Amino acid sequence: KAGVTQTPRYLIKTRGQQVTLSCSPISGHRSVSWYQQTPGQGLQFLFEYFSETQRNKGNFPGRFSGRQFSNSRSEMNVSTLELGDSALYLCASTEIQGATMEGYTFGSGTRLTVV
Amino acid sequence: DQQVKQNSPSLSVQEGRISILNCDYTNSMFDYFLWYKKYPAEGPTFLISISSIKDKNEDGRFTVFLNKSAKHLSLHIVPSQPGDSAVYFCAAFSGNTPLVFGKGTRLSVIA
Repeated sequence: KAGVTQTPRYLIKTRGQQVTLSCSPISGHRSVSWYQQTPGQGLQFLFEYFSETQRNKGNFPGRFSGRQFSNSRSEMNVSTLELGDSALYLCASTEIQGATMEGYTFGSGTRLTVV
Repeated sequence: DQQVKQNSPSLSVQEGRISILNCDYTNSMFDYFLWYKKYPAEGPTFLISISSIKDKNEDGRFTVFLNKSAKHLSLHIVPSQPGDSAVYFCAAFSGNTPLVFGKGTRLSVIA
């Protein structure tokens, strides 16, 4: 079955703009989590959506937001982009809320560059 | 406050030898621990996990050891192969909380 699909793969935006990233989970997976990866900081949790509701939220400013649709697809939005938002944004899906011993299945990520 | 720590940013090992990647954690509530492997331009892929009620789990060349009293776990890769060169992330969670990741260790296996 198809894996987690993230679009676009690469994006270049200017400071002050906003951006929307998309994630389609594995069919049947109802939970989608978003992570930000920057050099030296590892993977930092942004938020998790399950059944269209935000279940967990990481320590990011309100400029970062997300939503989940009835088909479990998810989008995340970053408004008023800053240079420090340049990162690889990873989406992951699971069947149930939260993590399991099999972990998440991650997409390949969207590389966002803010100039 | 980092709950999961990987104190070695990088590690180089000769092909055929053992690679040992270390991870420490501070949250005693963590029930499960996982290792992920990541190649450039790809998402992390799940490698192996261990429950807090165990002290060892093995899968082929990969073995994870857990020392709860020391809040320490390690991943052993034997024998190491050039294709194992990647960034390895340690992660942990409890209940239905999200995975908490360390900053990663870059493993280079030299032929």
